[in-house]
Amino acid sequence: QLVLTQSPSASASLGASVKLTCTLDSGHSTYAIAWHQQQPEKGPHYLMKLNSDGSHIKGDGIPDRFSGSSSGAERYLTISSLQSEDEADYYCQTWGAGMVFGGGTKLTVL
Amino acid sequence: EVQLVESGGGLVQPGGSLRLSCAASGFTFSSYAMSWVRQAPGKGLEWVSAISDSGGRTYYADSVKGRFTISRDNSKNTLYLQMNSPRVEDTAVYYCAKGQYNWNEQLDYWGQGTLVTVSS
Repeated sequence: QLVLTQSPSASASLGASVKLTCTLDSGHSTYAIAWHQQQPEKGPHYLMKLNSDGSHIKGDGIPDRFSGSSSGAERYLTISSLQSEDEADYYCQTWGAGMVFGGGTKLTVL
Repeated sequence: EVQLVESGGGLVQPGGSLRLSCAASGFTFSSYAMSWVRQAPGKGLEWVSAISDSGGRTYYADSVKGRFTISRDNSKNTLYLQMNSPRVEDTAVYYCAKGQYNWNEQLDYWGQGTLVTVSS
């Protein structure tokens, strides 16, 4: 069964960097994922597609502060120079026989 | 600019019916698969259904299979979700999202959502 695991919460200071993790189950460790950002009271917003080799294609207008990387079954989203508007929920998504989302990580900018 | 605008949400009784719509613009609608994704209050995202670019193939989450029907009208650039026999647990904000040529790839644009409340 295709499963994505995310930590429920993360926090980092204004201007710092943070690395969020999305882990694929062992049977699907080579799958690509997508990262989405959901700011409070808004619909989700696509950030990037991230492949198992770490290559990624960002969505329209996504700043260079957002980057992706991969290691084994783990897919990462790194946000540098944190801004207040980065405080949001971040979801990873993958696909196979169906489409699956991780449980989301709530990022707090201190 | 890609825009997806959902409508049709509201209060519906368990066992009733409701049809959601999603008006698309800013891209060649007939060339892309589309999906519906929902979010229960205070919860995460859950994929509900997808449809191929032509509308000839449809896909459903087990939780809605047999009760919901996805469809599209490429002449009107509109996506639909017919919700029959909704349950209390179907209460959620429903988002439409643009896919890729293949239905099971990343969703790269989202609407603002429409709230469906299932309650007696």
